[in-house]
Amino acid sequence: EDQVTQSPEALRLQEGESSSLNCSYTVSGLRGLFWYRQDPGKGPEFLFTLYSAGEEKEKERLKATLTKKESFLHITAPKPEDSATYLCAVQVGNTNAGKSTFGDGTTLTVKP
Amino acid sequence: DGGITQSPKYLFRKEGQNVTLSCEQNLNHDAMYWYRQDPGQGLRLIYYSQIVNDFQKGDIAEGYSVSREKKESFPLTVTSAQKNPTAFYLCASSRDRGSEKLFFGSGTQLSVL
Repeated sequence: EDQVTQSPEALRLQEGESSSLNCSYTVSGLRGLFWYRQDPGKGPEFLFTLYSAGEEKEKERLKATLTKKESFLHITAPKPEDSATYLCAVQVGNTNAGKSTFGDGTTLTVKP
Repeated sequence: DGGITQSPKYLFRKEGQNVTLSCEQNLNHDAMYWYRQDPGQGLRLIYYSQIVNDFQKGDIAEGYSVSREKKESFPLTVTSAQKNPTAFYLCASSRDRGSEKLFFGSGTQLSVL
């Protein structure tokens, strides 16, 4: 059974304090790993897709990386507006994109 | 602006009642999905549809029903058979079956009176 585990469950940072969120996975035949951002009471918003080990993608203060067993979402010098829940999801083989397995998320709080 | 519209934002269900959640998209996407999200948990797939007049069960379909009569619309009915319906319901779409990027609506919070 495909499994996706995110850690930590919650992370509190001071503004400017860099850190990383982890998404570890156990799947057969990874097709893609996705990161989404979700604000309270809203739907998730797509951030990145990673396809193969060694791949990296960046967007503003966020950088996502991928290995054969896990992905990291690095947040550099975060600001309060980066506070949100970050979800990762894994798509396997030829399955439909919407059938991706989602982790439970990491809730990030950035204090000014 | 293109996107997915879910309504209502909040919905209350009485015991024994069926309720329907609306999902409309103007992105011209083929595939649409319904997820359930419980507090502190990830998304679980209820139903999905890859084409009009066709849909498949997801991981937690019991107590739910859907229809896909139009490409733009994918309503979800929470039936009285769903004994624990309180949750945040999300509708999503993707361009096609293989497309990896999901677009989400803003969600409907369903509670039981």
